[in-house]
Amino acid sequence: DAGVTQSPTHLIKTRGQQVTLRCSPKSGHDTVSWYQQALGQGPQFIFQYYEEEERQRGNFPDRFSGHQFPNYSSELNVNALLLGDSALYLCASSFGRNTEAFFGQGTRLTVV
Amino acid sequence: AQSVTQPDIHITVSEGASLELRCNYSYGATPYLFWYVQSPGQGLQLLLKYFSGDTLVQGIKGFEAEFKRSQSSFNLRKPSVHWSDAAEYFCAVALTDSWGKLQFGAGTQVVVTP
Repeated sequence: DAGVTQSPTHLIKTRGQQVTLRCSPKSGHDTVSWYQQALGQGPQFIFQYYEEEERQRGNFPDRFSGHQFPNYSSELNVNALLLGDSALYLCASSFGRNTEAFFGQGTRLTVV
Repeated sequence: AQSVTQPDIHITVSEGASLELRCNYSYGATPYLFWYVQSPGQGLQLLLKYFSGDTLVQGIKGFEAEFKRSQSSFNLRKPSVHWSDAAEYFCAVALTDSWGKLQFGAGTQVVVTP
């Protein structure tokens, strides 16, 4: 079992650009959540996908969007990047109403 | 407002000494409670969780946590720390009707000295 896998591990983007981050959930999991962790802070919930639909959303602007595919993998898209979007982006997967979430290693995004 | 508070930003402990990390939450009902650990540059690993039942829960790596409803607390403990326990620890909560949406505290950085 590969666990939750995220790609890429690191990337650097310029302000105003768009970025796509990818996540494959743990085998058997059908729910994917995305979190943003700024340096020195706890993770902040961005949104959650289940059955290919966004089910819950945190306090993030519409520049943050996502998608879930039939195989339960997911993408996080961020448009019009700001310097403040620099953070570690974590993907977590879980199964059904069991809220035990398993996290990937994260994607470190740097916006310059 | 709903919140999760970890009062200690940084704790230094000697190897072999005991460790206690504090976590308080403010919610209308008892949420699901979790402790995660994050090593430098890594994702989060679940140490233990509380959903219901016995208020003292055992986790991995020798950690345990006690839920106290009257104090809205869920403190993490370890009787004897190892150098490998140096990491950042996060308390998190999820509402029972908001599955998968975790709210994290700001974290406690644990440093272990020889």
